[in-house]
Amino acid sequence: DGGITQSPKYLFRKEGQNVTLSCEQNLNHDAMYWYRQDPGQGLRLIYYSQIVNDFQKGDIAEGYSVSREKKESFPLTVTSAQKNPTAFYLCASSMWGGAFSEQYFGPGTRLTVT
Amino acid sequence: GIQVEQSPPDLILQEGANSTLRCNFSDSVNNLQWFHQNPWGQLINLFYIPSGTKQNGRLSATTVATERYSLLYISSSQTTDSGVYFCAVDGSGGSNYKLTFGKGTLLTVNP
Repeated sequence: DGGITQSPKYLFRKEGQNVTLSCEQNLNHDAMYWYRQDPGQGLRLIYYSQIVNDFQKGDIAEGYSVSREKKESFPLTVTSAQKNPTAFYLCASSMWGGAFSEQYFGPGTRLTVT
Repeated sequence: GIQVEQSPPDLILQEGANSTLRCNFSDSVNNLQWFHQNPWGQLINLFYIPSGTKQNGRLSATTVATERYSLLYISSSQTTDSGVYFCAVDGSGGSNYKLTFGKGTLLTVNP
């Protein structure tokens, strides 16, 4: 089955701890993305990556970090510098550009920091 | 950046009714997608429709790019249609990757 997997589904952390969210895709997509969703809101872009070993900041990158060592994987680290980390995090992927830029989303990870 | 406004914010229907959801955007677009977010949070792709009209079963969508709006039609609604519908766009001034989302329309279909 082709798709995007995110793990874990639910994550609980104490304030001050870094936490890493996993995102894997087997769609052979070039580009991957991380979004954040707060209650009652739309999604906002955190980071995106067009190719391996390259990534760019989105609209709300502060307090987050990413890596792209493999085409299939794009983990997101929520650092202790992120002031309001509790949110729903969604990973997406797409082919790159033109008619193939449709984005597909994983099931998400709900992060709660107390 | 590009602005995306969706209306109405909330919509309550009886099963079997039809509805129209609207998405207005402030600039020309390369990419426009409609999504349905189910109660578990999963975003399901409905349409990729930067222009023109598409239909998929009881759902159809039309984007009038020159007038900067898109419409999502749901006919003969079912309780399983409940959830949040999002419109997301990428302005033609940028690359085809940075989707900007509207705040969504919360649809509730009652039996």
